[in-house]
Amino acid sequence: GQQLNQSPQSMFIQEGEDVSMNCTSSSIFNTWLWYKQDPGEGPVLLIALYKAGELTSNGRLTAQFGITRKDSFLNISASIPSDVGIYFCAAWDGSSNTGKLIFGQGTTLQVKP
Amino acid sequence: DAGVTQSPTHLIKTRGQQVTLRCSPKSGHDTVSWYQQALGQGPQFIFQYYEEEERQRGNFPDRFSGHQFPNYSSELNVNALLLGDSALYLCASSPDRGRGGELFFGEGSRLTVL
Repeated sequence: GQQLNQSPQSMFIQEGEDVSMNCTSSSIFNTWLWYKQDPGEGPVLLIALYKAGELTSNGRLTAQFGITRKDSFLNISASIPSDVGIYFCAAWDGSSNTGKLIFGQGTTLQVKP
Repeated sequence: DAGVTQSPTHLIKTRGQQVTLRCSPKSGHDTVSWYQQALGQGPQFIFQYYEEEERQRGNFPDRFSGHQFPNYSSELNVNALLLGDSALYLCASSPDRGRGGELFFGEGSRLTVL
C-alpha cells in the first residue's frame, strides 16, 4: 500500500541551527502537508503544498513539493526551543475523500538552548 | 471559537471490553475523520463520516465502527478490545469542500487496553 518514508527519525540540534527533514514515497500524491505534534496534543498543520515544484514559507519554515510528486522536504531556519516536537509529513492522493491522509513515521526534533 | 474536542482524554479498558470515544468538530466543519496513532508512529486513517454516513474506510477490522449525528459530532466504537488497540485515537474535522488534507485535530483520547 501507500507509504511515506520520513527521515531522519530524530534530530538533536543547537538553538540557532537550521534543520532539514524530508519525506519520500514510491506513489504519486496531489498534496503534501507538514504537521507538528507537541506532547499530549493532536497534530497541527504547518504548511500545505498543492503543486509539484511549489515552494512555500510560513515564518521560519519552508517546504517544497517535489517535482516528481513523490517527495517533499521541510526546512526550519534559526531553530528555537519551542520548535521541539514531532514533525510529520502527510500526503493526499487526490481521491474524493479529503480526510484520508497517509502519514510518515515522524521526525522528533530536540533543540538544546 | 472552539476547536475539535474529544472525550474522554484517557481511559483504561481490559481485553474483550468495548469502548466509545466522542468527538465534536470545529465550528463550521461537517466532516469528521478518525485516526489511530500507536506509540512512536504516525496517525493511521480509520474512517471518515460525512452526512451521517461512513464515506471511506482504512485498513481496520469491523470491530471498529462509528457514527455521526445531525449536529456533526461523531463517535468511534471499538468492540472486543485487543492489547494492540492501545493507542491515541485522534479525531479530525474539515469542511467537506475544504482543500484536501487540511485537517484540524483534537487532542486525542489515549486508550490503554490491559
